Amino acid sequence: GAGVSQTPSNKVTEKGKYVELRCDPISGHTALYWYRQSLGQGPEFLIYFQGTGAADDSGLPNDRFFAVRPEGSVSTLKIQRTERGDSAVYLCATGQGFAGELFFGEGSRLTVL
Amino acid sequence: GQQLNQSPQSMFIQEGEDVSMNCTSSSIFNTWLWYKQEPGEGPVLLIALYKAGELTSNGRLTAQFGITRKDSFLNISASIPSDVGIYFCAGQSSNDMRFGAGTRLTVKP
Repeated sequence: GAGVSQTPSNKVTEKGKYVELRCDPISGHTALYWYRQSLGQGPEFLIYFQGTGAADDSGLPNDRFFAVRPEGSVSTLKIQRTERGDSAVYLCATGQGFAGELFFGEGSRLTVL
Repeated sequence: GQQLNQSPQSMFIQEGEDVSMNCTSSSIFNTWLWYKQEPGEGPVLLIALYKAGELTSNGRLTAQFGITRKDSFLNISASIPSDVGIYFCAGQSSNDMRFGAGTRLTVKP
């Protein structure tokens, strides 16, 4: 597609469940970022991929969060044993290397009950 | 981690007025960017700045990369109702990009 695609757009789950959020980047974009955005806040950096490897995962809040990008294109953010505090919009952004211009998807809104 | 301080938090202005918002940081950035976000959507890039002192315009928007590389401002001239939204600054150094908390702009017709 023409833009960054994120699925699902909305996910409601129960505390303790496992969740996967998917990001389809713009074709040819090698850089892929995951951000988390809480209400009234700016996007908070989680992890950055350059190609297949996680170049910087320093923003992941704890070991319940994990992300993969096995073929350097689609990425999946995985959250284990979800907690209510994980509720937020998870944004994916992609770009061409270190150009600085990131293009965002519409986000996946996660609600943990 | 790097902290970006964005101000003001919110602005209520009359259509036709000019707007100014800014971002400061204790850290140096190589790139400053300004994004706009509307409800239910991801941020959309407005302007990217790559060099200290750079002044760039995009229509009614003008942004500058501070000479110290620790700050940036965004001006919107002659505001219109569709300028409503949340504006975020972002600073990039090496791999990561950090965002300010945003400026919520309301434009009254």
